[in-house]
Amino acid sequence: GENVEQHPSTLSVQEGDSAVIKCTYSDSASNYFPWYKQELGKRPQLIIDIRSNVGEKKDQRIAVTLNKTAKHFSLHITETQPEDSAVYFCAASIGNQGGKLIFGQGTELSVKP
Amino acid sequence: EAQVTQNPRYLITVTGKKLTVTCSQNMNHEYMSWYRQDPGLGLRQIYYSMNVEVTDKGDVPEGYKVSRKEKRNFPLILESPSPNQTSLYFCASSLTVAKNIQYFGAGTRLSVL
Repeated sequence: GENVEQHPSTLSVQEGDSAVIKCTYSDSASNYFPWYKQELGKRPQLIIDIRSNVGEKKDQRIAVTLNKTAKHFSLHITETQPEDSAVYFCAASIGNQGGKLIFGQGTELSVKP
Repeated sequence: EAQVTQNPRYLITVTGKKLTVTCSQNMNHEYMSWYRQDPGLGLRQIYYSMNVEVTDKGDVPEGYKVSRKEKRNFPLILESPSPNQTSLYFCASSLTVAKNIQYFGAGTRLSVL
C-alpha cells in the first residue's frame, strides 16, 4: 500500500539552530502535504502545508519544500526555540480525491536552551 | 467558539461490548475524519467523510464503522471492540477537502480489556 516515511525519529538541537525533518511518499498522485505539531498530551495542530503546484512555502521561522520528482518534502525550522519542542508529523494525500491522508511516523524534536 | 468536540474523553470497556465515540463540529465543515494514534505508528486514518452521506475508508478501517447523517456529527462505532483497538482516537474537521486546514478534537483514550 501507499506509505510515508519520516526521518529522523528523534532530533535534538541547540536553541537558535535550525532543524530539518524529511519525508518521502510513494503515491505519485499525492497533491497535498501538511505538517502537524503535537505537544505532549495535546492534539495535533497544523503548522504549515503545501500543495503540489508549489515548490516552497514559508511562514515566519517555518518553511516547507517539495520535490515532486523525487517524491520528498521537508520541514525547516530556523532559529529554534524551546517551545518548538514537540512531535512533528508529515502527511501526504493519497489519490487525486484529497480526502485520504497517510501520516509519517513522527519526529520528536527537542530544543535545548 | 469554533471547536471539534469528542465524547467521551476516556473510556474503559470490555471485549465485544459495542461502543460509540461521538464527534461534533460547529463550524459547518464539510470534511470530517477519524484517526487513531499509537506509539511508534503515528496517526493513522480510519474513515473520512467529504460531506453528508459520503464516507470512505482510510488506512485502517477494519473493525470500525462511521455514519454522516448530518453535517455536524461524525460518530465512530466499534461494533465488537477488541484489545487491539486500545488507542488514542482523534476526530478532525476542515471546511472542505480542498481547504484542508484540519481542526482536531481533544482526543478519546480508549482501553479495551
